[in-house]
Amino acid sequence: DVKVTQSSRYLVKRTGEKVFLECVQDMDHENMFWYRQDPGLGLRLIYFSYDVKMKEKGDIPEGYSVSREKKERFSLILESASTNQTSMYLCASSLGGVRGDEQYFGPGTRLTVT
Amino acid sequence: GENVEQHPSTLSVQEGDSAVIKCTYSDSASNYFPWYKQELGKRPQLIIDIRSNVGEKKDQRIAVTLNKTAKHFSLHITETQPEDSAVYFCASIQGAQKLVFGQGTRLTINP
Repeated sequence: DVKVTQSSRYLVKRTGEKVFLECVQDMDHENMFWYRQDPGLGLRLIYFSYDVKMKEKGDIPEGYSVSREKKERFSLILESASTNQTSMYLCASSLGGVRGDEQYFGPGTRLTVT
Repeated sequence: GENVEQHPSTLSVQEGDSAVIKCTYSDSASNYFPWYKQELGKRPQLIIDIRSNVGEKKDQRIAVTLNKTAKHFSLHITETQPEDSAVYFCASIQGAQKLVFGQGTRLTINP
C-alpha cells in the first residue's frame, strides 16, 4: 500500500515568513508533484520532479521553489509567504515508466497566511 | 499546453439515479484519462482510468467513455448511493506523466 505523508495537516504563518512543506513517499516512486487546491479551480500543478535533484515548473510556480535531495522526499518552499498563498497543498507521487501514471496523494496541508 | 474543462461544477441526483460528468481536453496527443474522487476532508483517490486505445471501461457501478475524435470523456455512475457524494476530478496526461486536472464536480446524492 502506497503511503504519501505530509509534515503538517494545518499550518498558520505570517506574511513574509519562509515556509517549508515536506512530503515523503515510501514506495520508491520516481515522480513527485506539488499541487495547490482552491475551490472552483481544481488541482493546479506548482512543481514536479522526475528524479533526485531534478525539478520542473508546473503551471503556477511563481513564489514557490522545491527541493528533492532524496528520492523519497520532496519539499515545497514558500520563500516569502503572502496571503494569496493561503490554500490547501497536496503532494502526490507516481511510479513512472510505462503505465506508471497513477498518482497517489498525501492528506494535504491547509496553509493559512495572515 | 493541455487544457481540461469539466462540467457541471455541481450535480445533485436522487439516490438510485445515474450521474454523468463530462470533460473535454485540448491536446490530441493525450493518451491517459483518470478520474479521482475526493471525499470531504480526504485526499483524492483514483477510481477509474482509461487509455486512448480503449473506448469504454467499466468497474461495477462506474464507467468511463472516451471519444478521441471529439476529445471528450465522461464518467458514468449508476444506481447512485449516499457514499458516492464527493468531489470528482477528471484529468488528462500532458507530456511525460504530468496530469492536468479539470475544475472538479461536487456530486450530491439526495436520499
